[in-house]
Amino acid sequence: DSGVTQTPKHLITATGQRVTLRCSPRSGDLSVYWYQQSLDQGLQFLIQYYNGEERAKGNILERFSAQQFPDLHSELNLSSLELGDSALYFCASSVEGGPQHFGDGTRLSIL
Amino acid sequence: GENVEQHPSTLSVQEGDSAVIKCTYSDSASNYFPWYKQELGKGPQLIIDIRSNVGEKKDQRIAVTLNKTAKHFSLHITETQPEDSAVYFCAASGGTGGFKTIFGAGTRLFVKA
Repeated sequence: DSGVTQTPKHLITATGQRVTLRCSPRSGDLSVYWYQQSLDQGLQFLIQYYNGEERAKGNILERFSAQQFPDLHSELNLSSLELGDSALYFCASSVEGGPQHFGDGTRLSIL
Repeated sequence: GENVEQHPSTLSVQEGDSAVIKCTYSDSASNYFPWYKQELGKGPQLIIDIRSNVGEKKDQRIAVTLNKTAKHFSLHITETQPEDSAVYFCAASGGTGGFKTIFGAGTRLFVKA
């Protein structure tokens, strides 16, 4: 168990809809990262937050947004969903400069 | 931009043999190189990491080597076991991209009993 909790585990929705994925980091970790993993693909970095502030941005679509709250949990919002957004979405957390610890992901299926 | 290339994409070995996975990074300022193992239905799990001030690191059957000059790093698994079968990812971070971690595309390792 990595200590990173992601909810929900599975999400099924339709094109055009909006969803929110939630991540609770390991106790003591101030950094939260979001990744997208499509079928049989690698991990695409989306965005990183550190203690509530955005720190780094990857190839995150404008339809996607994220935030980190004062209690350090983070949410990834995906809107105007398209079929191609179907993927596994992972959250990871770390202390500054330390290794990332991943949750078990949210599997998003767009019908 | 920053890039990490990983080879091979698929590797099949006999139980007890060694497995080697190689990665090349583009950003010479990268200074931290973790390796992750991802089993089916799970998130990636850190198995070993190395920093740029070290050339080699071992942990039981797993070792990682780093060649900063060539910008190569490799994962070595000795005495492979069926439970080593998984997807392995290398990554590089701390370069000019700051806190971004760039992952390789992954290697699917099959260990045949």
